Amino acid sequence: QVQLVQSGAAVRKPGASVEVSCKASGYDFTNYYIHWVRQGPGQGLEWMGRINPRGGSTTYAQKFHLRVTITTDTSTGTVFMELSNVGPTDTAVYFCARGQFISGNLDSWGQGTQVTVSS
Amino acid sequence: QSVLTQPPSVSGAPGQTVTISCTGGASNIGATYDVHWYQQLPGTAPKLLIYGDNYRASGVPDRFSCSKSGSSASLAITGLQAEDEADYFCQSYDSSLTASVFGGGTKLTVL
Repeated sequence: QVQLVQSGAAVRKPGASVEVSCKASGYDFTNYYIHWVRQGPGQGLEWMGRINPRGGSTTYAQKFHLRVTITTDTSTGTVFMELSNVGPTDTAVYFCARGQFISGNLDSWGQGTQVTVSS
Repeated sequence: QSVLTQPPSVSGAPGQTVTISCTGGASNIGATYDVHWYQQLPGTAPKLLIYGDNYRASGVPDRFSCSKSGSSASLAITGLQAEDEADYFCQSYDSSLTASVFGGGTKLTVL
């Protein structure tokens, strides 16, 4: 079955960087996008960006364009999301999700990773 | 402020029908991009509910359906059950932003 398993919770100080990983299994890794979506405390879902594991091309939301980097290691089926220069408003649960190439829906999600930014 | 607008909350009694609206604009829903719906139970990851032209994800009962008209979409839930109490989000693509966009979410309370 399709599984996306994310790395564990992280705590960072303001100005630091954080990297969250997402290991995919149970399907052909290069046939689907991997998206990153975050959810602040009591907030809605916020799309951050996506990567096409076949070739590594990326698209980022304008809000995060200068701070987020999404990469992939096709040998292990893992996607990495790095967010730099974090601040308290980046405290959130970060999800990876598998995305269909054509329709754009996110049909399988990771369990989420809590990132806390605190001095 | 979300690109897609949803009501913050809706409620209904068991057995009733509720609808959740998702209003966008000319660069997303109005541009005929697909709308997808997700259900999020407390403390869990979102789960795909309905995608594209009213296709239900695997295991989703036919009590859930969606429709679209102009720049708006709606999710309908018939025969409300206590287990339907959750947050619901709509999602589409926005050509001006060249990005996926979500609604702010709607909390469904089953009375």
